Amino acid sequence: AQSVSQHNHHVILSEAASLELGCNYSYGGTVNLFWYVQYPGQHLQLLLKYFSGDPLVKGIKGFEAEFIKSKFSFNLRKPSVQWSDTAEYFCAVIFTGGGNKLTFGTGTQLKVEL
Amino acid sequence: GAVVSQHPSWVICKSGTSVKIECRSLDFQATTMFWYRQFPKQSLMLMATSNEGSKATYEQGVEKDKFLINHASLTLSTLTVTSAHPEDSSFYICSARDLGYTQYFGPGTRLTVL
Repeated sequence: AQSVSQHNHHVILSEAASLELGCNYSYGGTVNLFWYVQYPGQHLQLLLKYFSGDPLVKGIKGFEAEFIKSKFSFNLRKPSVQWSDTAEYFCAVIFTGGGNKLTFGTGTQLKVEL
Repeated sequence: GAVVSQHPSWVICKSGTSVKIECRSLDFQATTMFWYRQFPKQSLMLMATSNEGSKATYEQGVEKDKFLINHASLTLSTLTVTSAHPEDSSFYICSARDLGYTQYFGPGTRLTVL
């Protein structure tokens, strides 16, 4: 079955540290890729998405992600995190031919310490 | 960005009663909406796909007679939890998909069944 993996379940960083959250999926076909963020007490918000074109995608709040097809990966990065980035981050994938439904990873809880 | 609202944001009901949750796309039309459950510290679990003007498509293991979905217009989908039981207590989240296949999420509804 098609699946999405986020290997880092909990990440703790100090402010100004660089961030990279892993996301891998299991599917050899065409995919649409998303990163969502859920701040404490708030709803899911779209950070960025990739459908086609330049595999390096820039999103809101200084986040970016790179689609590496050969590695089935879509890792999220930010060069310098802030305390306000403390949140849960979800990678999600639409597997084309799979009913166009989002399949979510299990999420990564990021805590940024001052 | 696109906004999705849910009403109510929280509801407490007695066992055996029914509860209706509304999901609205406020600034765009959504031919497809989705309903999810989110358990504490877990990812979102897709319950069903709601298509405007047609029957919803339920995921395996989701009781369609218990979780009634109606997508009566391009901006409104409703989820009715019928004959609610304590095990139905959860956080229910809807999302609406725009024409570009991007999903935007509502703030969720916390259901507590006594």
